[in-house]
Amino acid sequence: KAGVTQTPRYLIKTRGQQVTLSCSPISGHRSVSWYQQTPGQGLQFLFEYFSETQRNKGNFPGRFSGRQFSNSRSEMNVSTLELGDSALYLCASSSNSGGPYEQYFGPGTRLTVT
Amino acid sequence: GQQVMQIPQYQHVQEGEDFTTYCNSSTTLSNIQWYKQRPGGHPVFLIQLVKSGEVKKQKRLTFQFGEAKKNSSLHITATQTTDVGTYFCAGDRSTGNQFYFGTGTSLTVIP
Repeated sequence: KAGVTQTPRYLIKTRGQQVTLSCSPISGHRSVSWYQQTPGQGLQFLFEYFSETQRNKGNFPGRFSGRQFSNSRSEMNVSTLELGDSALYLCASSSNSGGPYEQYFGPGTRLTVT
Repeated sequence: GQQVMQIPQYQHVQEGEDFTTYCNSSTTLSNIQWYKQRPGGHPVFLIQLVKSGEVKKQKRLTFQFGEAKKNSSLHITATQTTDVGTYFCAGDRSTGNQFYFGTGTSLTVIP
């Protein structure tokens, strides 16, 4: 099976702009989670989608939003970008079919806000 | 704030020495997962522990889940240079997929 893919891999934006990141999970996986990774804060949970519904949400401001499509692909949007949003954004998919919910991570999108 | 703490933050060992990282949660966890992230890479799933007091082994790696399900540890016997990376624990308080990652332990193995 193909792994989790994320596009784009690198992105440079300026403050105030918005950005949309995309994640395609492993075929058959219905759960997609998003994480923000920074040197200072580590890996922080943003939200999780399952069957097009947001099931869990981390402690991030409303500027961070997401959605999931019927094919399980997910997008994450950040509006009114701030310098502190510079980070590696990782998505992870899991089958969540009742067995161990191991998460398979994509390579990430490196976002730089200038 | 951070709900899952890991110690130590960094560890340098000589090749062949043992290594242990500890994970502590302020709340009871329903399960805990361990991941390894190589420099420049993404986290890769290692194992999941669900039962209180559970111990699992993968070759030179031994994982434990505490009796109270609030702490966990990863022990590597006779480290090798291929063990280099950052090891994260991730705890889930519910039955869903909302994992709180630990701060990570960066392991350097000196040949």
